[in-house]
Amino acid sequence: DTAVSQTPKYLVTQMGNDKSIKCEQNLGHDTMYWYKQDSKKFLKIMFSYNNKELIINETVPNRFSPKSPDKAHLNLHINSLELGDSAVYFCASSQIRVSTNEKLFFGSGTQLSVL
Amino acid sequence: DAKTTQPNSMESNEEEPVHLPCNHSTISGTDYIHWYRQLPSQGPEYVIHGLTSNVNNRMASLAIAEDRKSSTLILHRATLRDAAVYYCILRVASGSARQLTFGSGTQLTVLP
Repeated sequence: DTAVSQTPKYLVTQMGNDKSIKCEQNLGHDTMYWYKQDSKKFLKIMFSYNNKELIINETVPNRFSPKSPDKAHLNLHINSLELGDSAVYFCASSQIRVSTNEKLFFGSGTQLSVL
Repeated sequence: DAKTTQPNSMESNEEEPVHLPCNHSTISGTDYIHWYRQLPSQGPEYVIHGLTSNVNNRMASLAIAEDRKSSTLILHRATLRDAAVYYCILRVASGSARQLTFGSGTQLTVLP
């Protein structure tokens, strides 16, 4: 069983469309994250949720809206897609709240291409 | 902000040891040093972490300088499957998102 799974793996869409990326973890973790990896391979935190509560929102445009129906799921909805949104998006989870000692477990990524 | 500096790329021969350096001169006393790696077309995976003492696990060893301003990830015997981007990050105690941002990492190429 995949620990952190996200779908779809590839997403190609037109500018202006609305799309969602789903993420599920079966590790029993309390905290989930969304990361964006740009073309230079920098991985930057976007959001973090702990037990369905938003705890980190890193200057992400409000076109991006995370939704956590339960602590095992953190979906990312993106409105009015722009060319600059093209990137690889990774979901991750950790056992407890953001901590210096905690390991992150990542999904395999969603390659978003906005045309 | 606590930052790390790594070489953009390194090469190693298969079955030889690899030493991947990381500088973190602004590290503070409570910051943990974490290493992750990202294989092609996959998400990052945890490798190892430490605070002050050297650490060993089944994947690698982490050697931390006495002043903690640098560290080295050691792969004892590189295999072709170790070809990846290796990220050194500091997990700071402030609780902010700064601790969760990865740099550009070191692209390790393993030559057969």
